[in-house]
Amino acid sequence: GAGVSQSPRYKVAKRGQDVALRCDPISGHVSLFWYQQALGQGPEFLTYFQNEAQLDKSGLPSDRFFAERPEGSVSTLKIQRTQQEDSAVYLCASRVGNTIYFGEGSWLTVV
Amino acid sequence: ELKVEQNPLFLSMQEGKNYTIYCNYSTTSDRLYWYRQDPGKSLESLFVLLSNGAVKQEGRLMASLDTKARLSTLHITAAVHDLSATYFCAGEASNFGNEKLTFGTGTRLTIIP
Repeated sequence: GAGVSQSPRYKVAKRGQDVALRCDPISGHVSLFWYQQALGQGPEFLTYFQNEAQLDKSGLPSDRFFAERPEGSVSTLKIQRTQQEDSAVYLCASRVGNTIYFGEGSWLTVV
Repeated sequence: ELKVEQNPLFLSMQEGKNYTIYCNYSTTSDRLYWYRQDPGKSLESLFVLLSNGAVKQEGRLMASLDTKARLSTLHITAAVHDLSATYFCAGEASNFGNEKLTFGTGTRLTIIP
């Protein structure tokens, strides 16, 4: 596609439920990032891939968060046993050269 | 660890006026980015500044970078209503092989007709 595509766009999860968020980066982009943006805040780094290798996962807030990119293209961010504080927009981005393209985000609300 | 601070956090200005948003960062940064975000939307790339003294302009927006002062500015000239949005700066730390961005808290800009 022309841009970074994320799904679902909106997700309401009951506390304790597992969720999976998908990111389709721009074709051919090696670098892929996940960010978390709470309401009224700037995006915060979660994790970073080059191809299928997860080079930095220092921003994942707990072991309930897991990300993968098994074939170096599509990535999935999984959150287990969701909690209210996980409510946020999850942004995926991919990069070529000096330009980083962000997707529309997946809006997660945990009730 | 790179830290990025923006000010002001909120800015309300009249159409036709000029103003500047400031972005300070704590350690050496390879690149400095400016993004725009409209409510409920994703981040739109505005500028990437790569070196000391870099200046880029697009329409009524101009961004500059002073790496010695660890300061970037986003200057708005003769503001118009459709510039109302939240503006973020972000730095990329100089760690080889790590391309993550550290964002400021954003400046919510409201242009009043």
